[in-house]
Amino acid sequence: GENVEQHPSTLSVQEGDSAVIKCTYSDSASNYFPWYKQELGKRPQLIIDIRSNVGEKKDQRIAVTLNKTAKHFSLHITETQPEDSAVYFCAAPQGGSEKLVFGKGTKLTVNP
Amino acid sequence: DAGVIQSPRHEVTEMGQEVTLRCKPISGHDYLFWYRQTMMRGLELLIYFNNNVPIDDSGMPEDRFSAKMPNASFSTLKIQPSEPRDSAVYFCASTLRDRVYNEQFFGPGTRLTVL
Repeated sequence: GENVEQHPSTLSVQEGDSAVIKCTYSDSASNYFPWYKQELGKRPQLIIDIRSNVGEKKDQRIAVTLNKTAKHFSLHITETQPEDSAVYFCAAPQGGSEKLVFGKGTKLTVNP
Repeated sequence: DAGVIQSPRHEVTEMGQEVTLRCKPISGHDYLFWYRQTMMRGLELLIYFNNNVPIDDSGMPEDRFSAKMPNASFSTLKIQPSEPRDSAVYFCASTLRDRVYNEQFFGPGTRLTVL
């Protein structure tokens, strides 16, 4: 089955700096890679996703890159703000099913 | 739309008691998922349904856990008997799958504490 590894587990940056979170996956058939943000005490919410027919997708300060050959994808947040502080999860589908396998999460802290 | 609705939001019970968690998915969505979140194990999928039919329950930890979806607008997750290690936040999520993957919308979660 799909195995998703996420690094780092914690990340602390200064406001205005960039943050990068990386994930690797094992199932070469996977073709959809979402990123979820979970604020403390709240539910996970989708912030961006990428499908395997593109290598990069950007939405304002957030971007995701995908390298299918290496089976890894990354989340990039530029000009970080304190409200970006949260836990971020990557995910990938298992075996073409609707089942998403989530990484263990990265706790991002943006210091003012 | 009100989004995915879960109840109760918090549940405190004693070991051995039966616990029932409830979920109402977004209207029109054809997939419903039950997740469990703990610090140690992260976000785990327990079971998911398509058009009210259970598709994959391989994540259900043991026979004490059961889930049903009697109709398109309601699902339950039951733990009987409950144990302290079941303490976690349980999320329900739903999505509409057409020809591509779409966002899974999560409910607010139920925080379960088993004493």
